[in-house]
Amino acid sequence: EAGVAQSPRYKIIEKRQSVAFWCNPISGHATLYWYQQILGQGPKLLIQFQNNGVVDDSQLPKDRFSAERLKGVDSTLKIQPAKLEDSAVYLCASSRGTSGRQETQYFGPGTRLLVL
Amino acid sequence: QKEVEQNSGPLSVPEGAIASLNCTYSDRVSQSFFWYRQYSGKSPELIMSIYSNGDKEDGRFTAQLNKASQYVSLLIRDSQPSDSATYLCAVGGFQKLVFGTGTRLLVSP
Repeated sequence: EAGVAQSPRYKIIEKRQSVAFWCNPISGHATLYWYQQILGQGPKLLIQFQNNGVVDDSQLPKDRFSAERLKGVDSTLKIQPAKLEDSAVYLCASSRGTSGRQETQYFGPGTRLLVL
Repeated sequence: QKEVEQNSGPLSVPEGAIASLNCTYSDRVSQSFFWYRQYSGKSPELIMSIYSNGDKEDGRFTAQLNKASQYVSLLIRDSQPSDSATYLCAVGGFQKLVFGTGTRLLVSP
């Protein structure tokens, strides 16, 4: 079974530029998550999709961040415009079902973003 | 009070010893508990999940959950240098998983 795929793996941009990250979850997994992990901290949930609907985006800075999962499979996370404090690793994860209790999440390799 | 608290470490243990990693959480209605291991520059990978009070063993790893005390721990027996990593505790309520900041474990040969 193929794991969660993410691209690009690394990205360097200047502040105020825009950037987009792509994620393809494990086949058949209904729920997809985007996390931001700043160095020395745990992953922080940005947005959670269940199929193609948003379950939780309470911590997504909506003035600059957007995400979509149009066909309920792969997803794109965009930052526009980027700020210095957006420098972090952006992790995509997926889980199989849609039960109320949290299921095991499987993480992709992440995209390391550096904003100069 | 943070939702999920862990000592950042580093926790240093000699090879072959037992490493004990601890985590406390604030939400009493939390239902699911996970330990992830994260090597430097890599993404988190699941070690253990636990949902009921008590102990759960998997090889050298034992997860312990005490919901009354809002406490979950991970024991690593016969620690190996390859266990050196950051261990993330994650606590799940309804639809949401919250991660701690992680404990860095160093196992010296």
